[in-house]
Amino acid sequence: AQSVTQLDSQVPVFEEAPVELRCNYSSSVSVYLFWYVQYPNQGLQLLLKYLSGSTLVKGINGFEAEFNKSQTSFHLRKPSVHISDTAEYFCALPLARNSGNTPLVFGKGTRLSVIA
Amino acid sequence: EPEVTQTPSHQVTQMGQEVILRCVPISNHLYFYWYRQILGQKVEFLVSFYNNEISEKSEIFDDQFSVERPDGSNFTLKIRSTKLEDSAMYFCASRAGTSGADTQYFGPGTRLTVL
Repeated sequence: AQSVTQLDSQVPVFEEAPVELRCNYSSSVSVYLFWYVQYPNQGLQLLLKYLSGSTLVKGINGFEAEFNKSQTSFHLRKPSVHISDTAEYFCALPLARNSGNTPLVFGKGTRLSVIA
Repeated sequence: EPEVTQTPSHQVTQMGQEVILRCVPISNHLYFYWYRQILGQKVEFLVSFYNNEISEKSEIFDDQFSVERPDGSNFTLKIRSTKLEDSAMYFCASRAGTSGADTQYFGPGTRLTVL
């Protein structure tokens, strides 16, 4: 069965420092992978997604993620964080890759707290 | 930019009462979803809806839950008789395309508190 594990529930980091939020997945077939961000009192917003091709995916707000098939990982990175990046980050994948109406399976989320 | 909206943002209800959570998906989208997130836990899939019928539902989505698209724009989730364990954030989402590669767009959520 498809599943996603986010290893860190909370990540505190100082402003302008780099950050990596970890995501590992389990799937018996090739996958699509997504990172969503939830700012306080807002909905889930897509940061980036991996579908195929280049393993390094660039997203909004300076974030990027690298798909690593051998390690079944899709870690999210940013070289220099801002206070405004404080949010909850979710890794997700579709339950069925080619199903017309497939839901997403989410990780538990990682709360990124950027400290001034 | 079009967005998914949800009302109310926060709903407080007594155990055993019925609640209806409302969502307005993005207008040209065809696939609709409800998810929930109990505090401190994963975002969990409840139900998907397409062409005026349920496509898929999780084991959480029991007989107490129902969904409806009453007027071509709203998409509602009804909980018939709320339990304490229904307290959670409920997210609505919609998607235009038919592939798992297509992005699901989420609303801001309704926080349901059952007392």
